[in-house]
Amino acid sequence: DAGVIQSPRHEVTEMGQEVTLRCKPISGHDYLFWYRQTMMRGLELLIYFNNNVPIDDSGMPEDRFSAKMPNASFSTLKIQPSEPRDSAVYFCASRASGAYNEQFFGPGTRLTVL
Amino acid sequence: SQQGEEDPQALSIQEGENATMNCSYKTSINNLQWYRQNSGRGLVHLILIRSNEREKHSGRLRVTLDTSKKSSSLLITASRAADTASYFCATVTGANSKLTFGKGITLSVRP
Repeated sequence: DAGVIQSPRHEVTEMGQEVTLRCKPISGHDYLFWYRQTMMRGLELLIYFNNNVPIDDSGMPEDRFSAKMPNASFSTLKIQPSEPRDSAVYFCASRASGAYNEQFFGPGTRLTVL
Repeated sequence: SQQGEEDPQALSIQEGENATMNCSYKTSINNLQWYRQNSGRGLVHLILIRSNEREKHSGRLRVTLDTSKKSSSLLITASRAADTASYFCATVTGANSKLTFGKGITLSVRP
């Protein structure tokens, strides 16, 4: 298996633009997580899905952020409009069912909002 | 909010020495996991310890868990330069499926 795939790996955009980050989880995993990592705040969970259904979105910063999982093999995280403070590395992770299963992380998308 | 807090924040050792990293948490847990992150990469799972376990080994890694003190430690024996990375502890509480990460420890292993 190729692991968790994220695209793009790097994104540079201007303030006010829409940004869409994409994730393909590992086949057979029914949990998908979106994280944001910054030096100041560390690794924050934004939202997670179980069987394509959002379970907990309490970490989503504000209405400018939205996430979808239309099917078991694809998820998007959208920021509209983007702001400089959204600059961070965004990670997607997936895992199989069961509380004792590890999470597998993608390589991340480094977002820079100018 | 941070559930796990690692200590120290940064650690620098010589190759061949052992590295000990600590993690404290606040609420009861289902299990605790340690992850490693190399610079510019995603996190990689190292080891998981359940709340009813006290010690676990995996290769050069040893993790302990003291639920009475709400703390865990990760020991890397005979460190190598390739162990240079950030290390995170993460907790799972109750039936909750999400991990809550600490801010991480930066380990530097000098050749």
